[in-house]
Amino acid sequence: DAGVTQSPTHLIKTRGQQVTLRCSPKSGHDTVSWYQQALGQGPQFIFQYYEEEERQRGNFPDRFSGHQFPNYSSELNVNALLLGDSALYLCASSLAGGGSSYEQYFGPGTRLTVT
Amino acid sequence: DQQVKQNSPSLSVQEGRISILNCDYTNSMFDYFLWYKKYPAEGPTFLISISSIKDKNEDGRFTVFLNKSAKHLSLHIVPSQPGDSAVYFCAAFDSGGYQKVTFGIGTKLQVIP
Repeated sequence: DAGVTQSPTHLIKTRGQQVTLRCSPKSGHDTVSWYQQALGQGPQFIFQYYEEEERQRGNFPDRFSGHQFPNYSSELNVNALLLGDSALYLCASSLAGGGSSYEQYFGPGTRLTVT
Repeated sequence: DQQVKQNSPSLSVQEGRISILNCDYTNSMFDYFLWYKKYPAEGPTFLISISSIKDKNEDGRFTVFLNKSAKHLSLHIVPSQPGDSAVYFCAAFDSGGYQKVTFGIGTKLQVIP
């Protein structure tokens, strides 16, 4: 049973550039959430996708956007990168409507460094 | 506004003893509480949860206690093992509102052999 996978593992970008991160959810899951974890902090919710639509959004600017595909995989796009965007980006999948929709399974993350 | 608070950044415990990790929350709308464990270079791993209608949930060596009136929960690990050394995140979920998990900043547990 494949868990949540993310690519790439590490990424180095320059200020002002754009980046795309990818996530494949755990088999059987239909909901994908994205989190940003800065050093020494807990994961902060960016947004959640369900049925190919953004369902919820945290306190992140419009530079952060996403997409969910029919196979439930998802992308996170960040435009006009800032130094402060350097963080671990985590993808989590869950099953909407299930009795345990709060149980989210995380991927290993993508470490983004902006120089 | 930090809705889930873990006030102890680190904790050291001897192998075989009990580890107690604490967490406080402010949002009364949270109805599920979760603990995640995170090893370096890995994503958080779901450990145990508790519904707000319960005051205790046990899974093997792990027990979570919830005190709703105090808006406080704790994770007990008995007996502690060196493999338990990790960062533990307390998290909360509001099933009626935003379908998101709100995390604390984590407590780093070190179990000393």
